[in-house]
Amino acid sequence: RKEVEQDPGPFNVPEGATVAFNCTYSNSASQSFFWYRQDCRKEPKLLMSVYSSGNEDGRFTAQLNRASQYISLLIRDSKLSDSATYLCVAMFSGGYNKLIFGAGTRLAVHP
Amino acid sequence: SQTIHQWPATLVQPVGSPLSLECTVEGTSNPNLYWYRQAAGRGLQLLFYSVGIGQISSEVPQNLSASRPQDRQFILGSKKLLLSDSGFYLCAWSWGTEAFFGQGTRLTVV
Repeated sequence: RKEVEQDPGPFNVPEGATVAFNCTYSNSASQSFFWYRQDCRKEPKLLMSVYSSGNEDGRFTAQLNRASQYISLLIRDSKLSDSATYLCVAMFSGGYNKLIFGAGTRLAVHP
Repeated sequence: SQTIHQWPATLVQPVGSPLSLECTVEGTSNPNLYWYRQAAGRGLQLLFYSVGIGQISSEVPQNLSASRPQDRQFILGSKKLLLSDSGFYLCAWSWGTEAFFGQGTRLTVV
C-alpha cells in the first residue's frame, strides 16, 4: 500500500466549477500535511499547509481528518490558471523532516 | 532570502556513462537536503536525504549515489547509468516543515 494515495484524475472541469481532491495516508505517525502544486515539467511549489481545524486561502480550502487519515483540498470558482497537478504530502520527523508525496491529481480547467 | 540552484536543466546520456548532478543552496545554513526522482506520470520518490556534511541516507536501493562535500552542496551521481535511471530529478532543501525545490534536471538515458 502506498504511504500517500491520491486519485490520479484527470479532473476536467469548466471555469467557475468547484472541485475537490482527496488524499489518504497510511502512517499515523505523520505530523504535518501539505498540498503542493506542480505545473507541467516544473518543480513542485507549496500551495498550502493543512491543519486539523481546516484552513482557507482565497479560493482554496484544505482540511485534515486525523482519525480517518484523510486530507482534502477544495478549489472554488476554478480558473484556467488552476490547471496543474496537485500533490498531497505527509511529513513526519525522525531526525529529519521526511516528506512523502502522493502521485498527484491532475486538474484541467477548460473555458 | 534563500535560493536553490540545480543544474543542468536537461541531460541526455548514453547507457553506461557516469552522471553528476549538482545542487547548491544559498541563504541558509545546515539545511536538510534531499534528492527526489519523478518518473513520467508518477509521484516523487525520495532517493537520498542529508542532515549535514558527509551524512547521507539512502531511501531505496538503486544505481545512484549522493554526496555532500559542503554544507550547502548536494551531488547526485552514478558510475554507470541504466535506461531505468531516466526521469525528472529534483533537489530540495528544508528548514522546518516546508520544502523548497530546485528547478529539476530532466535526464534521458539512451
